[in-house]
Amino acid sequence: EIVMTQSPATLSVSPGERATLSCRASQSVRSNLAWYQQKPGQAPRLLIYGASTRATGIPARFSGSGSGSEFTLTISSLQSEDFAVYYCQQYNNWPSFTFGPGTKVDIK
Amino acid sequence: EVQLEESGGGLVQPGRSLRLSCAASGFTFENYAIHWVRQAPGKGLEWVSGINYNSRSLGYADSVKGRFTISRDNAKNSLYLQMNSLRAEDTALYFCAKEHYDGSGYIGAFDVWGQGTMVTVSS
Repeated sequence: EIVMTQSPATLSVSPGERATLSCRASQSVRSNLAWYQQKPGQAPRLLIYGASTRATGIPARFSGSGSGSEFTLTISSLQSEDFAVYYCQQYNNWPSFTFGPGTKVDIK
Repeated sequence: EVQLEESGGGLVQPGRSLRLSCAASGFTFENYAIHWVRQAPGKGLEWVSGINYNSRSLGYADSVKGRFTISRDNAKNSLYLQMNSLRAEDTALYFCAKEHYDGSGYIGAFDVWGQGTMVTVSS
């Protein structure tokens, strides 16, 4: 099983600042990596797939990069609605998928 | 509107069984792989199981293998999860989620989620 790790566990950021979240896979997942945003009481929302492709309707301030085993989600200028938990997910070996433990982005 | 709606959750004793359902609408269900993902209270997301469009390829997390069975009925636009030998650690909100199609192929990222159905395993 591919193990996903995320860092940091919590990121405190002021509105308008840049946030950089990291995700690492225990082995290469090529570009088969997605990012999700989850707010309390809601289902997750797909942000990025293919490591760097924004899903439909996702603002341009969200960007993803990386390949192999190291990935980054960047939020260029945090808006109030961006404070949430972010998860990465690998889907390299269908149908065995795994999620990272999440990074909580909260208000500094 | 593309929607998934889970049902069948509830309180169940350890060792007992429960069957979850997921009703799909607003898209051609028979074309898509669908998955179950769960979230224990206050915890992160855990992929549980997935099934491809024609039920010929199935997968399970190690934590549920041998106890849970995924299935689908394309004629009824429905997905199921039969959960046997339930344990306290299976307590979670169970989501069904649809794989994304990006115009050139199916992607194992989940672009549509239901709101979840809660399963509580306790005596």
